[in-house]
Amino acid sequence: QKEVEQDPGPLSVPEGAIVSLNCTYSNSAFQYFMWYRQYSRKGPELLMYTYSSGNKEDGRFTAQVDKSSKYISLFIRDSQPSDSATYLCAMSEYTGTASKLTFGTGTRLQVTL
Amino acid sequence: GAVVSQHPSWVICKSGTSVKIECRSLDFQATTMFWYRQFPKQSLMLMATSNEGSKATYEQGVEKDKFLINHASLTLSTLTVTSAHPEDSSFYICSARVGGLGYEQYFGPGTRLTVT
Repeated sequence: QKEVEQDPGPLSVPEGAIVSLNCTYSNSAFQYFMWYRQYSRKGPELLMYTYSSGNKEDGRFTAQVDKSSKYISLFIRDSQPSDSATYLCAMSEYTGTASKLTFGTGTRLQVTL
Repeated sequence: GAVVSQHPSWVICKSGTSVKIECRSLDFQATTMFWYRQFPKQSLMLMATSNEGSKATYEQGVEKDKFLINHASLTLSTLTVTSAHPEDSSFYICSARVGGLGYEQYFGPGTRLTVT
């Protein structure tokens, strides 16, 4: 079993829809959670990061963490064609120099007109 | 803020030659940088962790003599692929952490290496 599970998709939604992207994890030591967006042939772009359970909002994006269920989500409101990309969840046990990220496999999102 | 650059963005080299890829943090100092490799439609695979002024820590299965990493300053880390072979063709991405205590990483745009 992988430490981080993420549905690879593809997920296709119409423009304006609310998108829900999810990851589950098995390592209860993970404390820090991130969401990245990656366009084809580009490096990942950090969208959201949080270390606490609950919701964190930034513009159209909301990150949700439920440590008791080992489940994290990213919600995208009013989705746009420019949101079409692969979304990667990532998490780590520590901060500081010892910290490494464990990634999900990524979910490919397609927002159609 | 937190911008990371890579150079070159794309390189083609002949089998047996060496290629150097640079990773720079443009607006912050990065005591720790990371090098990843990514195959098409796959997630990122961590190759090594690079700490300024010390030897890099390589992940299991990564040949340290083949993938030479140098982190000579707080804003620059380099990855040299030595004696490159076609199977080394891949997308190489670096990332950096702001300061020494944060957990989030900021990624460069990646370098596509093609070995012929």
